[in-house]
Amino acid sequence: AQTVTQSQPEMSVQEAETVTLSCTYDTSESDYYLFWYKQPPSRQMILVIRQEAYKQQNATENRFSVNFQKAAKSFSLKISDSQLGDAAMYFCAYREDSNYQLIWGAGTKLIIKP
Amino acid sequence: NAGVTQTPKFRILKIGQSMTLQCTQDMNHNYMYWYRQDPGMGLKLIYYSVGAGITDKGEVPNGYNVSRSTTEDFPLRLELAAPSQTSVYFCASSDGYNSPLHFGNGTRLTVT
Repeated sequence: AQTVTQSQPEMSVQEAETVTLSCTYDTSESDYYLFWYKQPPSRQMILVIRQEAYKQQNATENRFSVNFQKAAKSFSLKISDSQLGDAAMYFCAYREDSNYQLIWGAGTKLIIKP
Repeated sequence: NAGVTQTPKFRILKIGQSMTLQCTQDMNHNYMYWYRQDPGMGLKLIYYSVGAGITDKGEVPNGYNVSRSTTEDFPLRLELAAPSQTSVYFCASSDGYNSPLHFGNGTRLTVT
């Protein structure tokens, strides 16, 4: 069965610095999607970034970028120039190409120090 | 544009009581989902729907029921509440199975 592992329950970073959140997954599939979602204290899940497994180029959205290593089954999120508003829980999620179900990691709590 | 709206925001139930969690979306999305989030865990899919009149079980459907009579609404029913159903429940929608999910703000349910 597919699993998603986030090994860092909590991370902290100084405002304006860069932080990387780790995610590994286990699958035997070749076609799938990977996601990072942000959950601020308001509780609402917000999509941060998405990566298609067939794309070799790493996805980027403004200050957020990923390091997708397909062979290593690793999907880390890099946040540059951290801002106070980035403080939240971050969840990594996986979905097979032909399946509706998202498999979620347990989350990483990101603390931004002013 | 409200997006996905869930009610109530909070609820306390006694063991054995029933309730319906409401979810409505105004984006004309065909796909809707119910997830639960337990402390320290990721989300788990309870039920999903690919359109009005069509529903299917997810990973953890036991103890829940759903219906989808309209595109906009996807209520989740708990018939006999149990302490194991204490959780935060999220409704989400998308305009295709390959499209990003839009989430509601969640319902925190406590069963005592």
